[in-house]
Amino acid sequence: EPEVTQTPSHQVTQMGQEVILRCVPISNHLYFYWYRQILGQKVEFLVSFYNNEISEKSEIFDDQFSVERPDGSNFTLKIRSTKLEDSAMYFCASIRGQRETQYFGPGTRLLVL
Amino acid sequence: DQQVKQNSPSLSVQEGRISILNCDYTNSMFDYFLWYKKYPAEGPTFLISISSIKDKNEDGRFTVFLNKSAKHLSLHIVPSQPGDSAVYFCAASAQTGANNLFFGTGTRLTVIP
Repeated sequence: EPEVTQTPSHQVTQMGQEVILRCVPISNHLYFYWYRQILGQKVEFLVSFYNNEISEKSEIFDDQFSVERPDGSNFTLKIRSTKLEDSAMYFCASIRGQRETQYFGPGTRLLVL
Repeated sequence: DQQVKQNSPSLSVQEGRISILNCDYTNSMFDYFLWYKKYPAEGPTFLISISSIKDKNEDGRFTVFLNKSAKHLSLHIVPSQPGDSAVYFCAASAQTGANNLFFGTGTRLTVIP
């Protein structure tokens, strides 16, 4: 069964460093999302991406964040200068079309020291 | 931002009995609702969904009920099995926008053998 994959599974970084989280959505899916979950809190929407551009973003997704689909398969989330409060699980999700179920990847656990 | 609420952080049920997980929402624009199951250090796994044009959807042991007037939905699991033990998240999306999901804070279900 097709699934969303994410790399790396864990990343530890120093505050101020740049990190890139990678996702490979399900191959025939067209809409892509990033969410995050800070430990003990709910899953929060960050950004959605369709047709090579951001379609919606939350207040969390400030200028330090960017997304890219550099080729036909990868979908990346970049944090330019990490802060301690960026420590969280980051989940990628994708759907084939509007009003369909979002399928999530296993997540990347980011720890900023 | 508490557009989706799960007021019970935990629930314990005996194996074989019914588990009922509840969710409330405030945004009247939400028209599509999903339940996800999540294990630690894994991504949310889709369980079942319901559109606002229906008031019930059933899939095997899982049934979701939607009461639009009360802005309330519930997930029934019957019979409950020890393998059902996980955190269950309710999520909702609106017809407008990019279908990003708003999650509740989750309910940890423990099924006691």
